[in-house]
Amino acid sequence: EAGVTQSPTHLIKTRGQQATLRCSPISGHTSVYWYQQALGLGLQFLLWYDEGEERNRGNFPPRFSGRQFPNYSSELNVNALELEDSALYLCASSPGAGYGYTFGSGTRLTVV
Amino acid sequence: GIQVEQSPPDLILQEGANSTLRCNFSDSVNNLQWFHQNPWGQLINLFYIPSGTKQNGRLSATTVATERYSLLYISSSQTTDSGVYFCAVEGDDYKLSFGAGTTVTVRA
Repeated sequence: EAGVTQSPTHLIKTRGQQATLRCSPISGHTSVYWYQQALGLGLQFLLWYDEGEERNRGNFPPRFSGRQFPNYSSELNVNALELEDSALYLCASSPGAGYGYTFGSGTRLTVV
Repeated sequence: GIQVEQSPPDLILQEGANSTLRCNFSDSVNNLQWFHQNPWGQLINLFYIPSGTKQNGRLSATTVATERYSLLYISSSQTTDSGVYFCAVEGDDYKLSFGAGTTVTVRA
């Protein structure tokens, strides 16, 4: 069984640009979660999608947005990139709320 | 949200030693997981353990939900056990809240 896959592995963008990160959940998992791990700030919850709807959002500005597609894959978009957006972005999937999470390998975003 | 505290923040072990990592949380939880983050950043799920005791090889975990803590035991540690161990809990807001982690270094 394939795990959670994320692409790209690394991404380098210039300040002010937009970044798009992608995540494919484990087959049969309907919930997708996005987390940011910035240096020194730990793992911060960003977004939760389930059945195509945004269910919960962390304390991040609106320029962090995303969506979930009918096949349950997800995109995270970060607009107007700032230097402090440089971080490891991790995606996780689960069969639904209250079940265990499985994480992907992450996308390392560097903003220069 | 639920507060998660992990201790100790850092742990240095000699290969073959045993250790205990602790996770305290501030409210009742629906889910508790222990993860190991490898040097490349991937979070590897070790245990899904909202209550009770589980064992997987040299690792075991116990969660006492009524007292709001969980323990991760590493026995006969190996250098490959090095990395950061995270405890994460999910409350009624259905989001996983992470502790700050315990950085484990196992020396040969």
